[in-house]
Amino acid sequence: KAGVTQTPRYLIKTRGQQVTLSCSPISGHRSVSWYQQTPGQGLQFLFEYFSETQRNKGNFPGRFSGRQFSNSRSEMNVSTLELGDSALYLCASSLSGFNTEAFFGQGTRLTVV
Amino acid sequence: GENVEQHPSTLSVQEGDSAVIKCTYSDSASNYFPWYKQELGKRPQLIIDIRSNVGEKKDQRIAVTLNKTAKHFSLHITETQPEDSAVYFCAASISRNDYKLSFGAGTTVTVRA
Repeated sequence: KAGVTQTPRYLIKTRGQQVTLSCSPISGHRSVSWYQQTPGQGLQFLFEYFSETQRNKGNFPGRFSGRQFSNSRSEMNVSTLELGDSALYLCASSLSGFNTEAFFGQGTRLTVV
Repeated sequence: GENVEQHPSTLSVQEGDSAVIKCTYSDSASNYFPWYKQELGKRPQLIIDIRSNVGEKKDQRIAVTLNKTAKHFSLHITETQPEDSAVYFCAASISRNDYKLSFGAGTTVTVRA
């Protein structure tokens, strides 16, 4: 079956702009999580969605938001981009969101200039 | 929230030798501990996981041990090969109401031929 798909793979944005990233989970997976990966900080949890509901949110400013659609696809949005937002954004899908294997997408590499 | 510490940050081993990576977690309610391998430019992939009702799990050259009393778990790779070179992340999941993985900072493993 198809894996987790993230689009786009690469983005270059200017400070102050906003960006929307997309994640299509594995068919049948209802939980989608988002992580920010940077060289110094590892993988930092952003938020998790299950059946269109956000169940948990990490310690990120309100500029970071997300949503999930009825087909389990998820988007995350970052408004008023800052240089420090440059990172690899990974989404992961799983059946239930806890105690089960999380499958990662290839990620979206965001560069803010 | 859960805090996961991972050591060492870098590890260089001779091909054929063993590699050991250790992680500690802070919340005794954690009950799921996966290990992910991320090769350069690729997505993190699960290599092995363990649940809190098990003390040890093996899969060919890879093993994970869990000490709930001390709140630490370790990854053991035996007979290392060049293809084992990658970044390894440990993670912990607290309970069914947390819906997230808390990751360690990662260990860069280099296997010298």
